[in-house]
Amino acid sequence: EAGVTQSPTHLIKTRGQQATLRCSPISGHTSVYWYQQALGLGLQFLLWYDEGEERNRGNFPPRFSGRQFPNYSSELNVNALELEDSALYLCASSRWQGSNQPQHFGDGTRLSIL
Amino acid sequence: KQEVTQIPAALSVPEGENLVLNCSFTDSAIYNLQWFRQDPGKGLTSLLLIQSSQREQTSGRLNASLDKSSGRSTLYIAASQPGDSATYLCAAYTSGTYKYIFGTGTRLKVLA
Repeated sequence: EAGVTQSPTHLIKTRGQQATLRCSPISGHTSVYWYQQALGLGLQFLLWYDEGEERNRGNFPPRFSGRQFPNYSSELNVNALELEDSALYLCASSRWQGSNQPQHFGDGTRLSIL
Repeated sequence: KQEVTQIPAALSVPEGENLVLNCSFTDSAIYNLQWFRQDPGKGLTSLLLIQSSQREQTSGRLNASLDKSSGRSTLYIAASQPGDSATYLCAAYTSGTYKYIFGTGTRLKVLA
């Protein structure tokens, strides 16, 4: 079974630009979660998508947005990039509304803002 | 508001030792608690998931326990090996929040 795949592995941008990160969940998983792991801040929940709908959102500004496609893959978009957006962005998937389902994580996209 | 704390922040032990990693959470209304392993520059690998109705889960040399009343979970690693060196994270899935809250992790180094 293929795991959660994320692309690109690394992304370098400058302040003010936009970044798009992609995630493909495990086959059969309908829920996709995005997390940010910034240095010194730990893992912070960003967004949860299930069946194409945004179900929950963490404490992040509106310039962090995303969507889930009919094949359950997902995109995370970050507009007007700021230096503090530099972080490892992790995507996870689970079988359905994840209250009792384990989340399986990808290896992440490392976003660096110059 | 759920807060998750892990102690110690870092741990260095000789190979073969049995060790315990601690995770504390402030809100006992959790659906489940999950333990993860993270290698440097990598994503998270799920180790064990304990449902709120369970007391413990075991996988190989790993055993995780959950005590909701005291807001604590422990991860026990038996006969540690250098390959166990990694950061271990616990995360609590709290009722009504639909998200995991992560601890800051314990960085484990097992010396050969």
